[in-house]
Amino acid sequence: EAGVAQSPRYKIIEKRQSVAFWCNPISGHATLYWYQQILGQGPKLLIQFQNNGVVDDSQLPKDRFSAERLKGVDSTLKIQPAKLEDSAVYLCASAAWGTENTEAFFGQGTRLTVV
Amino acid sequence: QKEVEQNSGPLSVPEGAIASLNCTYSDRGSQSFFWYRQYSGKSPELIMFIYSNGDKEDGRFTAQLNKASQYVSLLIRDSQPSDSATYLCAVKARGSTLGRLYFGRGTQLTVWP
Repeated sequence: EAGVAQSPRYKIIEKRQSVAFWCNPISGHATLYWYQQILGQGPKLLIQFQNNGVVDDSQLPKDRFSAERLKGVDSTLKIQPAKLEDSAVYLCASAAWGTENTEAFFGQGTRLTVV
Repeated sequence: QKEVEQNSGPLSVPEGAIASLNCTYSDRGSQSFFWYRQYSGKSPELIMFIYSNGDKEDGRFTAQLNKASQYVSLLIRDSQPSDSATYLCAVKARGSTLGRLYFGRGTQLTVWP
């Protein structure tokens, strides 16, 4: 079974530029998460999708971040414009619909450096 | 943000010892609790989950849950240098087949030979 795919693996941009990340979840997984992990910290939930609907985006900085999940499969996360403090690893995870114990599987992440 | 707190660490134990990792959470209605391991530069991977009060054992790992105290822990017996990683506690929010999943900041564990 293929895992969660993310691209790109690394990205360096200047502040005020735009950037987009892509995620392809495990086939059949209805739940998709985007997390931001700053060095030395735990993953912070940015947005959660159930199929193509948003379940939770309470911690997404909506003035600069946006995300979509068209057709309930792939997802993109965009930052426009980027700030220095956005430097982090952006992790995508997916989970099957089901019980409270359903495991979330993570992709390899995209390491963003804003200079 | 649902608060998930972990002992700050870093934690350093000798090979063969028991490593104890602790986590508290603020949402009393939380349903499920997960321990993830994250090696440096890698993504988190699931070690164990627990949802009932008491202990759950899997090999060298034991998860303990006390919902009254809002406390969950992970014990690693016979620690090995390969266990050196950051351990993340994750909590699935109340009423959530929709699966809101919140993480603590992690505890860095070093097991020295």
